[in-house]
Amino acid sequence: LAKTTQPISMDSYEGQEVNITCSHNNIATNDYITWYQQFPSQGPRFIIQGYKTKVTNEVASLFIPADRKSSTLSLPRVSLSDTAVYYCLVGPAGGSYIPTFGRGTSLIVHP
Amino acid sequence: NAGVTQTPKFQVLKTGQSMTLQCAQDMNHNSMYWYRQDPGMGLRLIYYSASEGTTDKGEVPNGYNVSRLNKREFSLRLESAAPSQTSVYFCASIPRTGMNNEQFFGPGTRLTVL
Repeated sequence: LAKTTQPISMDSYEGQEVNITCSHNNIATNDYITWYQQFPSQGPRFIIQGYKTKVTNEVASLFIPADRKSSTLSLPRVSLSDTAVYYCLVGPAGGSYIPTFGRGTSLIVHP
Repeated sequence: NAGVTQTPKFQVLKTGQSMTLQCAQDMNHNSMYWYRQDPGMGLRLIYYSASEGTTDKGEVPNGYNVSRLNKREFSLRLESAAPSQTSVYFCASIPRTGMNNEQFFGPGTRLTVL
């Protein structure tokens, strides 16, 4: 399983763009990168998944360089409600995937 | 669709008591998972079921047993609860079709063992 490394915590202010980077140096050829968001007292919620280059949805963008050894979750114009823990997971799609959550990145958005 | 449901939401046990945490999903997903989350920590995988009829140990299986009752239901049993099992327990499921690794989580069960 590819090990991931993320910053333990980050601070931002309302209206700013936040970029959270995840390192996964031993990512395998068939691995996908998936990000989750978790609010206190709730289960994690899927944000975005990608394999290479850039993926964008209504919530976030995911940037993956050509070597795929890292990825960056980009949250545009954050608000107080984006205060949460963000997890980066790496693994193969399909039957052999065993999700492994690290400690994630605690993002605090200030007024 | 209700998604992933868990019962109970809260539970207090005494050391040595047993209980079963129930999880059900109505999305026809093949794989189901049980995690525990301790304060300030990430989720740790207890057991998982890749498909109906199969179960496997995760990172922290000691003190737990599971049953994949059918495609919808995956229960977690504590045979003799210990204070170290005080935690929040989350159940999750994944479709296991195509290239989508999106996990759907239940609301969690907050368990306290005295």
